Amino acid sequence: ELKVEQNPLFLSMQEGKNYTIYCNYSTTSDRLYWYRQDPGKSLESLFVLLSNGAVKQEGRLMASLDTKARLSTLHITAAVHDLSATYFCAVVTPPYTGGTSYGKLTFGQGTILTVHP
Amino acid sequence: DSGVTQTPKHLITATGQRVTLRCSPRSGDLSVYWYQQSLDQGLQFLIHYYNGEERAKGNILERFSAQQFPDLHSELNLSSLELGDSALYFCASSVSPGGRSYNEQFFGPGTRLTVL
Repeated sequence: ELKVEQNPLFLSMQEGKNYTIYCNYSTTSDRLYWYRQDPGKSLESLFVLLSNGAVKQEGRLMASLDTKARLSTLHITAAVHDLSATYFCAVVTPPYTGGTSYGKLTFGQGTILTVHP
Repeated sequence: DSGVTQTPKHLITATGQRVTLRCSPRSGDLSVYWYQQSLDQGLQFLIHYYNGEERAKGNILERFSAQQFPDLHSELNLSSLELGDSALYFCASSVSPGGRSYNEQFFGPGTRLTVL
């Protein structure tokens, strides 16, 4: 069964600092997503990473994927208060695992990010 | 706004009751996924429908069932409700059937269920 682990689970940052959130997963997959969730709200898609070595950037966030290491990172540059939210990575169960669970998303526990002035 | 709609936004009910949550996917999307988000279990996949057909099942209790109708909207039925069923229920939609197809999922606003 696919397992996805994020760390850290809680991240308190000062504005202007850099930090990285890590997402490890247990079985091979070539598709990984990062979502943002504000309290009580829905999940907003941030990045879709489709291949080994994929790197995507949007504003102060940059995501990368290493399928060989089964690792994705979400790097935050010069954090601002507006980035405070919970960040989830999610991995797609690949089709070749058999059964009917392929295509489903398995989520990490989430990283609660708080940016302080 | 993702284009996925869910009703109701909030639902408060008592133990033992039955409720129905409704989801309308984005225009053109044939796949609907249901997820449950709770403090102790996190975000968990429940079930996936594609064009009216069940495609995958996750950690869905026997007391829960779902279906997707010809107009592609989906309903999640929760019966014999227990306190532990209190959670945020999301549906998501995608254009593809899953598997090898590109499968970005767009999430609705969620239904917050409170069982008293």
